[in-house]
Amino acid sequence: DVKVTQSSRYLVKRTGEKVFLECVQDMDHENMFWYRQDPGLGLRLIYFSYDVKMKEKGDIPEGYSVSREKKERFSLILESASTNQTSMYLCASRPGRKETQYFGPGTRLLVL
Amino acid sequence: DQQVKQNSPSLSVQEGRISILNCDYTNSMFDYFLWYKKYPAEGPTFLISISSIKDKNEDGRFTVFLNKSAKHLSLHIVPSQPGDSAVYFCAAGTYKYIFGTGTRLKVLA
Repeated sequence: DVKVTQSSRYLVKRTGEKVFLECVQDMDHENMFWYRQDPGLGLRLIYFSYDVKMKEKGDIPEGYSVSREKKERFSLILESASTNQTSMYLCASRPGRKETQYFGPGTRLLVL
Repeated sequence: DQQVKQNSPSLSVQEGRISILNCDYTNSMFDYFLWYKKYPAEGPTFLISISSIKDKNEDGRFTVFLNKSAKHLSLHIVPSQPGDSAVYFCAAGTYKYIFGTGTRLKVLA
């Protein structure tokens, strides 16, 4: 059974803190993705990775960085959290092109 | 500039009737299209997909139609059930998928 897990379901951080969101998939998928979901804006792609140590910017990468040291793990880093980064963060993975993308349960981040 | 649009933020349908959710895209290079369902505080769940070489794909109560010339896809749910009430997202792309803003479907018992 397909499994994408995210390290936290809910997180509260202060402005200026460094925040790590972790995602792990157990399906040996090549591709992993980070999205954020905001009301009225749908899911917007932040970063994605198509291989270990490889990363590409999505549509809204500003204020974020990522790390993929192992195939199964893709981390999203907020270098200095700001209130406009309060959102639902969704991780996804996919085996290859033109295939189903599987999502984790999401992390709801509140930055105060 | 939104490449994938869902112009109806919400839709209400009676139980047992057909639900039709629509999605438009602008990039003719997109070759794979998907529909997801999302409940609050959960990640999106895959429903059905279609490749650009097809114009229809069915899976049980769900059918996706693709009109490449109009750059339009739709999801038909027949018959609609109260448990189908959720937000539906369409997605389109090539090596990365772009998502629409979602349509909230409410199926009335």
